Amino acid sequence: DVKVTQSSRYLVKRTGEKVFLECVQDMDHENMFWYRQDPGLGLRLIYFSYDVKMKEKGDIPEGYSVSREKKERFSLILESASTNQTSMYLCASRVQGESSPLHFGNGTRLTVT
Amino acid sequence: AQTVTQSQPEMSVQEAETVTLSCTYDTSESDYYLFWYKQPPSRQMILVIRQEAYKQQNATENRFSVNFQKAAKSFSLKISDSQLGDAAMYFCAYRTSNFGNEKLTFGTGTRLTIIP
Repeated sequence: DVKVTQSSRYLVKRTGEKVFLECVQDMDHENMFWYRQDPGLGLRLIYFSYDVKMKEKGDIPEGYSVSREKKERFSLILESASTNQTSMYLCASRVQGESSPLHFGNGTRLTVT
Repeated sequence: AQTVTQSQPEMSVQEAETVTLSCTYDTSESDYYLFWYKQPPSRQMILVIRQEAYKQQNATENRFSVNFQKAAKSFSLKISDSQLGDAAMYFCAYRTSNFGNEKLTFGTGTRLTIIP
């Protein structure tokens, strides 16, 4: 079974802090994604990566950056956390392929105070 | 840009009954993929079923089936013999078949409650 592991289930940070959300997958997937989930808005794509050191902006990249130095790890960075970034963050990965599905981590619920 | 609409924020169904969750999407493409994902209270998103747009036959996975109407751009999920474990948020998602455009676009979700 594919395993996508997010380093923290719950996280509380202060406004202005630099925040790192880590995601690791164990199935050698090429593609990795960071989504943000908010009630009534569904899942919105922040960034994705289709290979090491490659990244693409999603629909809501403002205030975020990402890093993919190794194939198995995809990090989401909040350079200066703000209260409007309080949300559930979901990492996902998939193998390159037409109909291959996303495999998700358990999510990190981030609260910025 | 593609959009996915789930018009039912909440649904409920009696245990053992059948329920249908609706999803519509907007695209100008002819080839694409559609998915239903389930997110139980544990938060782990799980793939329920997928459909390739070029296939006319509706996908089926045990108690889960879809009604795919390509012309109407509709992709509803039918859950038969509902069980307590089916209680979850359900998300419909769209992905283009164009190579290099790997992202999924999700709807806003439908929260399904199962009444014992």
